[in-house]
Amino acid sequence: NAGVTQTPKFRVLKTGQSMTLLCAQDMNHEYMYWYRQDPGMGLRLIHYSVGEGTTAKGEVPDGYNVSRLKKQNFLLGLESAAPSQTSVYFCASSYSDRGTTEQFFGPGTRLTVL
Amino acid sequence: KQEVTQIPAALSVPEGENLVLNCSFTDSAIYNLQWFRQDPGKGLTSLLLIQSSQREQTSGRLNASLDKSSGRSTLYIAASQPGDSATYLCAPGSGGSYIPTFGRGTSLIVHP
Repeated sequence: NAGVTQTPKFRVLKTGQSMTLLCAQDMNHEYMYWYRQDPGMGLRLIHYSVGEGTTAKGEVPDGYNVSRLKKQNFLLGLESAAPSQTSVYFCASSYSDRGTTEQFFGPGTRLTVL
Repeated sequence: KQEVTQIPAALSVPEGENLVLNCSFTDSAIYNLQWFRQDPGKGLTSLLLIQSSQREQTSGRLNASLDKSSGRSTLYIAASQPGDSATYLCAPGSGGSYIPTFGRGTSLIVHP
C-alpha cells in the first residue's frame, strides 16, 4: 500500500497563477483533509471531506477550493495564488469511526508563491 | 473552539534521559487524542492513538496518558536516543465530524 501520496512535491508559482494539488489514498478512507503548515502557526485545516462528493470548510478556507469526485482523491485548488499562500501543504485521511480512527498523512507539497 | 497548547516548545537533552512532553486542550469533549512525530521536511507519522475511554497507550519506549476531564495528555519517552530527535505534536479529535486540532509541537533534540 502506498498510503497517502501527494503530487507535486515542490512547486513555485507567480502571483495570480493557478494550480491544483492532488492527494490520493489507497486505504479506502472516508475522511480526507487538507492542512497548511507555517512556521510558528502549526497545522491549520483548510478544507475537509467526509465522503465522496462532499466537502466542508476548515479554519482557513479563503483562497482555496476543493473537490472530492472520487473517494480516493481529494484535490486542492488555488485559483489566483498569493504570496500569503506560500506554505507546506499536507493531505491526510482517516476512517469515519470517531473513536478508533487514526489520521494518516502524506509527505507534503512545498509551495512558494513569488 | 478547541485550543491546544504544548509545553515545552523546545527541549534539548543528553541521550538516555526519560522525557515528559505535555499537551493541554480546552474542550474536554474529545473522541480521541493522537500523538504524531514529524521529522524535518517530512510529513507526520502517527505514534499513538488514545480513545476517549482509555487512560493510556504504550508502544515500545513511548507511553501516552490521557486525563480527559482536566484536558491533559502526556507523552513519556523512556531512555531517549538521538533517533528520537523530531517535533512531537498532539491532536485531540472533537466536533461533529472528528476534526483533530493540532498543537504547535515540542521540538526535541537528543544529543549523544
